[in-house]
Amino acid sequence: DTAVSQTPKYLVTQMGNDKSIKCEQNLGHDTMYWYKQDSKKFLKIMFSYNNKELIINETVPNRFSPKSPDKAHLNLHINSLELGDSAVYFCASSQTGLSYEQYFGPGTRLTVT
Amino acid sequence: AQSVTQLDSQVPVFEEAPVELRCNYSSSVSVYLFWYVQYPNQGLQLLLKYLSGSTLVKGINGFEAEFNKSQTSFHLRKPSVHISDTAEYFCAVTPDDSWGKLQFGAGTQVVVTP
Repeated sequence: DTAVSQTPKYLVTQMGNDKSIKCEQNLGHDTMYWYKQDSKKFLKIMFSYNNKELIINETVPNRFSPKSPDKAHLNLHINSLELGDSAVYFCASSQTGLSYEQYFGPGTRLTVT
Repeated sequence: AQSVTQLDSQVPVFEEAPVELRCNYSSSVSVYLFWYVQYPNQGLQLLLKYLSGSTLVKGINGFEAEFNKSQTSFHLRKPSVHISDTAEYFCAVTPDDSWGKLQFGAGTQVVVTP
């Protein structure tokens, strides 16, 4: 069983389009995260939800909107995609009180043309 | 605010040789420290973590790391590497009260050759 899964794995789209990435975890964790890894492999946190409540909201364009329908799911919607949004997006989860040890999904490679 | 510096962007190493990956951090508060590994085209996998207590931490796949508070370092070591250890390695820190807001270093690419 995959602990943290993401769909799709690859996403190729044109500038100006709107797209969503989905994440699900079956670890029973109460906290989920979105990270962006750029072309130089630099990882930066974008958002985090704890029990469906937004707790980390980094400086990210408001074209990016996370949504957590329940504590096992965290989706990322991106409006008006730009070339600079091309990256690998990782979802992760952790359990409060367990030192924030985070389990990562396989990533979604987004390419904007 | 915290910052993490990985001192080597790439480390070439021969199979069965030892390797050390250097990580320094700065923080005005207590932090938890982590090393993650990323194999090509995969997600990140936790190698080991330091929370408190013994400064020598052992992780998976034969890796260990030593926390040095005075030097604000958390260097990763393996006494004998395999070809399969070829990967990107990330050092990360998070304040112990930050909801797990991980700050990553820039990564160190380890290339193991026969």
